[in-house]
Amino acid sequence: EDQVTQSPEALRLQEGESSSLNCSYTVSGLRGLFWYRQDPGKGPEFLFTLYSAGEEKEKERLKATLTKKESFLHITAPKPEDSATYLCAVLIKGGGADGLTFGKGTHLIIQP
Amino acid sequence: NAGVTQTPKFQVLKTGQSMTLQCAQDMNHEYMSWYRQDPGMGLRLIHYSVGAGITDQGEVPNGYNVSRSTTEDFPLRLLSAAPSQTSVYFCASREKWAYEQYFGPGTRLTVT
Repeated sequence: EDQVTQSPEALRLQEGESSSLNCSYTVSGLRGLFWYRQDPGKGPEFLFTLYSAGEEKEKERLKATLTKKESFLHITAPKPEDSATYLCAVLIKGGGADGLTFGKGTHLIIQP
Repeated sequence: NAGVTQTPKFQVLKTGQSMTLQCAQDMNHEYMSWYRQDPGMGLRLIHYSVGAGITDQGEVPNGYNVSRSTTEDFPLRLLSAAPSQTSVYFCASREKWAYEQYFGPGTRLTVT
């Protein structure tokens, strides 16, 4: 069964304290791995797509990386406005459904 | 562009009532999907469409109907609401040859 597991479930950091969020996956064939940010009461906001192991993408204080078994979202010198739930999702090859399989998310709080 | 829009934002139904959740996108995306988000469960795919006139089931389709008569609109119908359908519902769309999906703001549904 295809699975996406995110850790930790919650993370509290001080402003400026860098860290990483993990997304591990066991899928039959990966077509792409996606990172989203979700603010309370809002829909997920697309951040990155990664397609192959070794690929990296950056946006402001965020950097996403991908290996054959997991992805990391590195947050460098975070600010309070980076507080949100970060979702990881995978799209698998050959699946009948054109949908993303999501992890449960990491709830990130950045304290000033 | 407004992107993906959803109405209503909030809805309360009694068990057995029916209703339609509206979703529209103005990006000319061929692919559209409906997800539900429940605490501790992550986002799960209900139904999806790869173009006007074509729909298919996702992971949790029971109790829901969809149709796609135009590229822009993809309504989700609850035939006979049940308390288990209390959730937050998100509509998403994407281009045919790009896999990142763009989400609407969500509809929070409570069934009593």
